Amino acid sequence: EPEVTQTPSHQVTQMGQEVILRCVPISNHLYFYWYRQILGQKVEFLVSFYNNEISEKSEIFDDQFSVERPDGSNFTLKIRSTKLEDSAMYFCASRQGWRFNEQFFGPGTRLTVL
Amino acid sequence: GENVEQHPSTLSVQEGDSAVIKCTYSDSASNYFPWYKQELGKRPQLIIDIRSNVGEKKDQRIAVTLNKTAKHFSLHITETQPEDSAVYFCAAKGRNAGGTSYGKLTFGQGTILTVHP
Repeated sequence: EPEVTQTPSHQVTQMGQEVILRCVPISNHLYFYWYRQILGQKVEFLVSFYNNEISEKSEIFDDQFSVERPDGSNFTLKIRSTKLEDSAMYFCASRQGWRFNEQFFGPGTRLTVL
Repeated sequence: GENVEQHPSTLSVQEGDSAVIKCTYSDSASNYFPWYKQELGKRPQLIIDIRSNVGEKKDQRIAVTLNKTAKHFSLHITETQPEDSAVYFCAAKGRNAGGTSYGKLTFGQGTILTVHP
């Protein structure tokens, strides 16, 4: 069964550094999402991406964040200058199309900012 | 925007008992309500979902009920087993400020379910 994949599984970085989290959504899916989960807390929506542009973003997704689909398979989340409070698990998800509700989540990238 | 409240935050049951987790949502335009199970350090996995045009849905030991008027929905697990122990999240799919839905899910705070053998 196709799955969403994410790399790396764990990323450790220094405060102020840039990080890029990578996701490969399921191949025939059209909608892509990033969520984050701070340890012990609920999953929070960051951004949705459709037709090569951001369709919706949350207040968390400020100018330090950006997303890109550089080719036909990868979907990336960049944090330009990481802060301590960016430490969280970041989940990518994808959805097949507008008629399909289910979002399939990747295994997550644990980001630790020191 | 949408706000989802989930109760209880922890739930402890004996194997074989039933477990019920409840969620309320604020946006009457929300039309899709999934439930995810998350084991420690793993990805959220969809276990059951319901659309707003349906009042109840069942899949073996798991059922979800939706009351659109009251804006609440519940997860029911019968004959619980130790492997049901996990964190359960409810979610609602709403619309953005312009009234369009791109699938954004708003999650509840989660319920830690522990099933004792």
